[in-house]
Amino acid sequence: EAEVAQSPRYKITEKSQAVAFWCDPISGHATLYWYRQILGQGPELLVQFQDESVVDDSQLPKDRFSAERLKGVDSTLKIQPAELGDSAMYLCASSFGWWRERDTDTQYFGPGTRLTVL
Amino acid sequence: DAKTTQPPSMDCAEGRAANLPCNHSTISGNEYVYWYRQIHSQGPQYIIHGLKNNETNEMASLIITEDRKSSTLILPHATLRDTAVYYCIVGLLGGGADGLTFGKGTHLIIQP
Repeated sequence: EAEVAQSPRYKITEKSQAVAFWCDPISGHATLYWYRQILGQGPELLVQFQDESVVDDSQLPKDRFSAERLKGVDSTLKIQPAELGDSAMYLCASSFGWWRERDTDTQYFGPGTRLTVL
Repeated sequence: DAKTTQPPSMDCAEGRAANLPCNHSTISGNEYVYWYRQIHSQGPQYIIHGLKNNETNEMASLIITEDRKSSTLILPHATLRDTAVYYCIVGLLGGGADGLTFGKGTHLIIQP
């Protein structure tokens, strides 16, 4: 069964350093999402791509976070500089998106990257 | 903000049916009800979704009330591996729609 791939699985960094996370969605999925999940809470959407275009980044802290999906396939989420409050699980998800009928589309998540900022 | 209300935690005996309630009184006519679960330290796992008819798959059944203001996820024979946080989400996927807004979910604990 196809899966969403993420790397690294764990990342420990010091504050003010730069970190980057990578996501490879399920083949054929046009929509890619990045979520952040703080311990004890549900995932919160950071950014959503449709192919290579950003369709929603309203919750992305743009002063330090950036995301790209240059060829409309895999994606990178970057934080520079990292702060203590960025410690969380970063989840990537994908779905078929715009060309799929609503009653058949679902969103599939990767295993996540656990970030610890010291 | 999440459009659903779920109890923060529930217990269920192993082998029994687990019934997880969800209220979504402000659901729009074209919005679906999605259920996901998240086992500790893993990514959320899709379970089932529906619009207005009851749905069943190999994992669970989804019962949606006629007025669509609430639903129940049923795990017919719960096992210890079903211990997880279960999220009920109202939203749209496909057709260029937005992503899903998660709440805090229900922590389901299956007791041996």
